[in-house]
Amino acid sequence: DGGITQSPKYLFRKEGQNVTLSCEQNLNHDAMYWYRQDPGQGLRLIYYSQIVNDFQKGDIAEGYSVSREKKESFPLTVTSAQKNPTAFYLCASRVGPDYEQYFGPGTRLTVT
Amino acid sequence: DAKTTQPTSMDCAEGRAANLPCNHSTISGNEYVYWYRQIHSQGPQYIIHGLKNNETNEMASLIITEDRKSSTLILPHATLRDTAVYYCIVRVIYGGSQGNLIFGKGTKLSVKP
Repeated sequence: DGGITQSPKYLFRKEGQNVTLSCEQNLNHDAMYWYRQDPGQGLRLIYYSQIVNDFQKGDIAEGYSVSREKKESFPLTVTSAQKNPTAFYLCASRVGPDYEQYFGPGTRLTVT
Repeated sequence: DAKTTQPTSMDCAEGRAANLPCNHSTISGNEYVYWYRQIHSQGPQYIIHGLKNNETNEMASLIITEDRKSSTLILPHATLRDTAVYYCIVRVIYGGSQGNLIFGKGTKLSVKP
């Protein structure tokens, strides 16, 4: 089946630890995105990548880092510098900027 | 990208049509109207998009007013599985920036038996 996978679905970490969220797609899409969603709110863009080995900051990139070494993978690291990391994280991909985005199932991160 | 306004919540009886409105009075000529929905604790799902003509697919119909300042998403026969938050988004497609979507708070549609 083609699609986007995110793992794990639930993740728990202690404050001060870095944590990496996985996002993999087998849709052969060039562009990939990371969004953050807080309870009752819409999605906010963290980082995006239009092509392998290139990525750009979104609206709320502080405290996060990404890499795009392979077309199918776009991992997100939530660093200890992120003040409020507890949130629902969504990864998306699209063929190109003129097409709709496909979203993964999300990872719910809780930091205590 | 233009801002959109949607009602916070709506109810619909199962089997009836659900009509979800969206205002986008500042929409530009090269901006499309997109609809996504998000079922609780899942990733958003693309529904439909359009520029100025009405559009229909297997999931829904999109009606855009002639002045393009508002639109309505129609789910013709709502089921309990259509209970979700529905997002109306307007954005440029061709020549757009990074291609990301700007999600507001959407409309929470509750389909009741």
